[in-house]
Amino acid sequence: AQSVTQLGSHVSVSEGALVLLRCNYSSSVPPYLFWYVQYPNQGLQLLLKYTSAATLVKGINGFEAEFKKSETSFHLTKPSAHMSDAAEYFCAVTRGQAGTALIFGKGTTLSVSS
Amino acid sequence: DTGVSQDPRHKITKRGQNVTFRCDPISEHNRLYWYRQTLGQGPEFLTYFQNEAQLEKSRLLSDRFSAERPKGSFSTLEIQRTEQGDSAMYLCASSLGWGDEQYFGPGTRLTVT
Repeated sequence: AQSVTQLGSHVSVSEGALVLLRCNYSSSVPPYLFWYVQYPNQGLQLLLKYTSAATLVKGINGFEAEFKKSETSFHLTKPSAHMSDAAEYFCAVTRGQAGTALIFGKGTTLSVSS
Repeated sequence: DTGVSQDPRHKITKRGQNVTFRCDPISEHNRLYWYRQTLGQGPEFLTYFQNEAQLEKSRLLSDRFSAERPKGSFSTLEIQRTEQGDSAMYLCASSLGWGDEQYFGPGTRLTVT
């Protein structure tokens, strides 16, 4: 069965510092992987997705993620944090084929200090 | 295109009452999903529709929950005899079809007192 583990429920960085949010997945089939961001009292916004094409995926707002099959990882990075990046981030994997239900991790709250 | 909309945004109800939520997907999106999110957790899948057909239901969806998508457009999620454990954010998402990303609405926050 598919599952997602996000390492670190809370990550704090300084403005301008590297952002690294960790996600490991388990999947019995080639996975489709996603990162979503959620701002307070709002729905989820897609940052980027991996669908078996390029292993390095670029998303919105300067974020990118690298799919590493050997490590079963899909970590999210951004070279330079901005105050507006403070939010909750969720990694997700599709259960079965793409287009079916998403299985989410528990989320990582990113705090950015000036 | 105004995105996925949900109504109401907030609902406070007393235990034992019935509640109904509505979701309007992005027009022409064939797939519609319902998720539930509790505090400090990621969203959990409840059910999804392909057009008007309900293709899958999670075991989280007890007999008190029912979802419909008449005519393959908007969807409703009804909870009967609400319990305090039903307090959560209920999220709706839609996608164009197989392999496409899901776009989420703002959610309906339910509080059962």
